[in-house]
Amino acid sequence: GAGVSQSPRYKVAKRGQDVALRCDPISGHVSLFWYQQALGQGPEFLTYFQNEAQLDKSGLPSDRFFAERPEGSVSTLKIQRTQQEDSAVYLCASSRNYDSGANVLTFGAGSRLTVL
Amino acid sequence: RKEVEQDPGPFNVPEGATVAFNCTYSNSASQSFFWYRQDCRKEPKLLMSVYSSGNEDGRFTAQLNRASQYISLLIRDSKLSDSATYLCVVDTGGFKTIFGAGTRLFVKA
Repeated sequence: GAGVSQSPRYKVAKRGQDVALRCDPISGHVSLFWYQQALGQGPEFLTYFQNEAQLDKSGLPSDRFFAERPEGSVSTLKIQRTQQEDSAVYLCASSRNYDSGANVLTFGAGSRLTVL
Repeated sequence: RKEVEQDPGPFNVPEGATVAFNCTYSNSASQSFFWYRQDCRKEPKLLMSVYSSGNEDGRFTAQLNRASQYISLLIRDSKLSDSATYLCVVDTGGFKTIFGAGTRLFVKA
């Protein structure tokens, strides 16, 4: 597609529910990033994929967070047993560059998660 | 200590003013540097890359000082439409692209 597409745009979950957030990157983009952005803060790195390989997941805050990109295109971020502190905007970004360094990121509009 | 630190802001400036933002990074192995702009409730968008020799794009000038691990962004002749949050971004050379917390700019008429 022309841009990075994320769905749903808004999600309200009850505490303890599982949620799945989808990212459809720009066609042909090798690199895919997930970020978490709390209100008034900058995006915090969660995880990075190069094609289908998850090469860095050091930013995932707990084992309740899981991300996958099984065919090297669409990615899903799953949060199990959601907690109130998970409320944030989850941003997906993709990049054409294969090499680390000089990754110019194109972001999707984000998925805003509210946990009640 | 955060990997990328920025001026806290907010900066409130009149139209036509010159304003400068600073950013420091902790990883000396960092390879690439950028400024992104984020409008309220929107996604970040690339403003400009930052090159070692410094670079300019219209009213915007970016500087990099590797020895001091310091990046700056200068905006000349501020416009109302420049009001946004400016994010300093560092590519650490691994597989992480790290964002600062952002500096908010308000340009007043």
